[in-house]
Amino acid sequence: KAGVTQTPRYLIKTRGQQVTLSCSPISGHRSVSWYQQTPGQGLQFLFEYFSETQRNKGNFPGRFSGRQFSNSRSEMNVSTLELGDSALYLCASSLEGKSNQPQHFGDGTRLSIL
Amino acid sequence: DAKTTQPNSMESNEEEPVHLPCNHSTISGTDYIHWYRQLPSQGPEYVIHGLTSNVNNRMASLAIAEDRKSSTLILHRATLRDAAVYYCIRGSNYQLIWGAGTKLIIKP
Repeated sequence: KAGVTQTPRYLIKTRGQQVTLSCSPISGHRSVSWYQQTPGQGLQFLFEYFSETQRNKGNFPGRFSGRQFSNSRSEMNVSTLELGDSALYLCASSLEGKSNQPQHFGDGTRLSIL
Repeated sequence: DAKTTQPNSMESNEEEPVHLPCNHSTISGTDYIHWYRQLPSQGPEYVIHGLTSNVNNRMASLAIAEDRKSSTLILHRATLRDAAVYYCIRGSNYQLIWGAGTKLIIKP
């Protein structure tokens, strides 16, 4: 069974640009969550999608957005990039996103802002 | 949302049991306790989770205090491959709330 796939693995952008990251969940998983990981703040929840609907959102500015498609694949977008957006962005999938269900993570997209 | 608290790092000898503590004194009654681990350059890996009673799986055991204010992850026989950052997490409202994690060092 294929795991969670995130593309691209590495990305370099400059301030002011925008970026789109992609996540393909495990087959049959309908919930996709996104997290940001930085050395200073650790892992922080961005948002969660289920059946193309955002059910929960973390404390991030509106420049961070996401969406989910009918096949459960998800994308997140960051506009007007800032230096502080440099981080590892992780995607996780689970069957239904319930708090008693394990989440399965991809290896992340490493975003560097110059 | 209150995060969990864990020791920054712990050391253990190979082939000995490891007990990783976690404090979650403000956890609500419906929050699950999850443990994940992360190796360098990889995404986190699920280890175990529970609500009230102790749990066992092929990777580890989870002991949850009766008042649910703390828990302990038990690796029964640590190997060098268990060296990682271990995160104790609250599972709540369709999200995982992460603490800072414990870096586990295994000495051969």
